[in-house]
Amino acid sequence: DAGVTQSPTHLIKTRGQHVTLRCSPISGHKSVSWYQQVLGQGPQFIFQYYEKEERGRGNFPDRFSARQFPNYSSELNVNALLLGDSALYLCASSLGPASGNTIYFGEGSWLTVV
Amino acid sequence: DAKTTQPNSMESNEEEPVHLPCNHSTISGTDYIHWYRQLPSQGPEYVIHGLTSNVNNRMASLAIAEDRKSSTLILHRATLRDAAVYYCGSGGSNYKLTFGKGTLLTVNP
Repeated sequence: DAGVTQSPTHLIKTRGQHVTLRCSPISGHKSVSWYQQVLGQGPQFIFQYYEKEERGRGNFPDRFSARQFPNYSSELNVNALLLGDSALYLCASSLGPASGNTIYFGEGSWLTVV
Repeated sequence: DAKTTQPNSMESNEEEPVHLPCNHSTISGTDYIHWYRQLPSQGPEYVIHGLTSNVNNRMASLAIAEDRKSSTLILHRATLRDAAVYYCGSGGSNYKLTFGKGTLLTVNP
């Protein structure tokens, strides 16, 4: 069975540009979360979506937005990119939003802002 | 936000047990404890998670303190393939996991 798939795997953007990252959850999983991981740190929570509704938001500016589609795939959008947005962006999926569910991460999208 | 702390690094010998500690000083009563490991240039790999009682699976065991302020991931016989950064985290009741900064585990042959 396919795991969590993310695209693109690597990308380079210029400051001020916009980026869209995509995620397909494990089949049957309805909850998708996004995390940002900078070098040397643990993943930091950005958003969680369940049944196409935002259920949680971390401490990130409004430049960050996301949505979940009827097939439960998800997009993370970041506007007005800053150098500090350079990081590994991780998507995670689970059956539901509750903490007791097993949460599986994708391989991530490496974003470099120059 | 939940505060999670881990040692920066630990070292072990192959085929010996490894105990990786984690402190969850502000964990709430309904938050689960999760452990993941990560190799360079890869996403975090699920290891184990639990709420109150100790948990076992094919990869590891998770020991949770009675007050839930700390947990220990136990690898019963370390192999070279277990060398990775191990992250503990807690949460979920408010729809997010808060992770520590990770412990780099080195396994010596």
